[in-house]
Amino acid sequence: DAKTTQPPSMDCAEGRAANLPCNHSTISGNEYVYWYRQIHSQGPQYIIHGLKNNETNEMASLIITEDRKSSTLILPHATLRDTAVYYCIVRVVFGAGMRFGAGTRLTVKP
Amino acid sequence: DADVTQTPRNRITKTGKRIMLECSQTKGHDRMYWYRQDPGLGLRLIYYSFDVKDINKGEISDGYSVSRQAQAKFSLSLESAIPNQTALYFCATSDADAAGELFFGEGSRLTVL
Repeated sequence: DAKTTQPPSMDCAEGRAANLPCNHSTISGNEYVYWYRQIHSQGPQYIIHGLKNNETNEMASLIITEDRKSSTLILPHATLRDTAVYYCIVRVVFGAGMRFGAGTRLTVKP
Repeated sequence: DADVTQTPRNRITKTGKRIMLECSQTKGHDRMYWYRQDPGLGLRLIYYSFDVKDINKGEISDGYSVSRQAQAKFSLSLESAIPNQTALYFCATSDADAAGELFFGEGSRLTVL
């Protein structure tokens, strides 16, 4: 699985969009980009995933660059409850588990 | 009730003791996983199982063993616990027919003195 690089921490004002970047320059053609988040010490929660097209669901949007070497998770209107560690993971579908790096600690401030 | 249930949620034990962490799921998923998380770090895969007859080592399996008693149950054992196994342990499941979304339990916090 390709390695990912994320900033260790970010802040965002409540109600503003939170844009979390992820670099995955060694991604292969059959690898997907997944995003999870972990609030406090709870089990990680799935957010979204994509291959090359941009994706959107009720939680977030995922923007993948055309060369697929980086992506951005967008939380359109961040709330205090979105404060969490966000993990960007690259993996083939149906692969053996997922590698969670240190992630980005997002703090949403009032 | 949670779809993925871990027991115990908290456990304090002594060096050398045998410990078992249990995981059960009601999601009907074939795939189950055990992860470990140390403070300030991401999760690392210990073992995973794609069905009842399939057990595979993850990146940090030394010092651990697992048992897949049924589709819904996956247990993690520490045969002789040591202090550096103090960590937060997570069980997860996924559906073989989906795109790999993992569903996690609430975690088991283990302290080895």
